[in-house]
Amino acid sequence: AQSVTQLDSQVPVFEEAPVELRCNYSSSVSVYLFWYVQYPNQGLQLLLKYLSGSTLVKGINGFEAEFNKSQTSFHLRKPSVHISDTAEYFCAVSDSDYKLSFGAGTTVTVRA
Amino acid sequence: ETGVTQTPRHLVMGMTNKKSLKCEQHLGHNAMYWYKQSAKKPLELMFVYNFKEQTENNSVPSRFSPECPNSSHLFLHLHTLQPEDSALYLCASSPTTGTGNTIYFGEGSWLTVV
Repeated sequence: AQSVTQLDSQVPVFEEAPVELRCNYSSSVSVYLFWYVQYPNQGLQLLLKYLSGSTLVKGINGFEAEFNKSQTSFHLRKPSVHISDTAEYFCAVSDSDYKLSFGAGTTVTVRA
Repeated sequence: ETGVTQTPRHLVMGMTNKKSLKCEQHLGHNAMYWYKQSAKKPLELMFVYNFKEQTENNSVPSRFSPECPNSSHLFLHLHTLQPEDSALYLCASSPTTGTGNTIYFGEGSWLTVV
């Protein structure tokens, strides 16, 4: 069974600064990796996903993530954040089937 | 607009009440899910339906009863709930339950049990 650890529960960041959200997973087999974002009072929206191929994945809203198999990580980055990026971010992993295991989430607060 | 609509968005119910949450997806998907989101905890998968058949019940108490009359609609019937059941309940759908499919979420139904 897989598990997901999001290493930071809260990340405050200033507008136009870069941000990195860390995600590590544990699984004994090949995995599929996802990042979802949840804006206040909304459901989860897919930012990006890694299924195979290039380890650098580009998503919506200027986010990207890099799959590192040796370090079992899938960190999310954005070079310059906006106020509108204030949200909760969830890393998720699935291996042999459709079941997603989610991390506990990272709250990003962007300040002017 | 994600294509997955949940109603009601907010629900307050007493422990002896019976209520239902409704979910409808307009994406032509064949798999539908119920998740529970509690504060500061990972999302918990509750139920999965694929082509109207329940394929997963993740040890959910019987006071939660799902119903999937067709591939577009999913209900969660609630009765004799406990205060600890207060949470955000998220409905989701995907093309099928195949590996790597993107799961699309609704905006959730906030449930408060008093």
